Amino acid sequence: AQSVTQLGSHVSVSEGALVLLRCNYSSSVPPYLFWYVQYPNQGLQLLLKYTTGATLVKGINGFEAEFKKSETSFHLTKPSAHMSDAAEYFCAVLNQGGKLIFGQGTELSVKP
Amino acid sequence: GAVVSQHPSRVICKSGTSVKIECRSLDFQATTMFWYRQFPKQSLMLMATSNEGSKATYEQGVEKDKFLINHASLTLSTLTVTSAHPEDSSFYICSAEGDSGNTIYFGEGSWLTVV
Repeated sequence: AQSVTQLGSHVSVSEGALVLLRCNYSSSVPPYLFWYVQYPNQGLQLLLKYTTGATLVKGINGFEAEFKKSETSFHLTKPSAHMSDAAEYFCAVLNQGGKLIFGQGTELSVKP
Repeated sequence: GAVVSQHPSRVICKSGTSVKIECRSLDFQATTMFWYRQFPKQSLMLMATSNEGSKATYEQGVEKDKFLINHASLTLSTLTVTSAHPEDSSFYICSAEGDSGNTIYFGEGSWLTVV
């Protein structure tokens, strides 16, 4: 069975600083991994996904994530945080039944 | 990218009444849609998988008679909360599997408040 763990329910960074949101997964098969962002009172927007191929995946809004099989990780990064990046971020893995298994979410705050 | 739309975005209903939430895939056909519930400051909880032309598959602990799901066409799934109670108040989000089969797109969510 697949599972996802997001380390840190809340991350705070200064504007312009590096953003690092951690995600570790558990999967018995090659995983399909996703990062979604949720702004207050809204649905989820796909940031990026990894299925196969290149392990460094680039997404929207300057975010990227690297799939590291040896570490079972799929951490999300952005070189320079912007105030508009403040939101809730969810890491997810697609299970064999086609269902998304979500992590607990990480709330990103950006200080001016 | 693919677009999934939910309606209404916010609804208030009286306790004991039923309310319907629609989920539409606007630019692709979705044989499978998913319904989630999200409590404040929490992650998404999968309620059921909606399959076009067949019965929905409910997750353990979800009352199928209370949360009726109908997937009547390849672009529309509906969730009806029957005999709503205040504890049903929540944020409900739908999603649909894109054409490629390995990407899931989400609707904007629907806030339900039962008074």
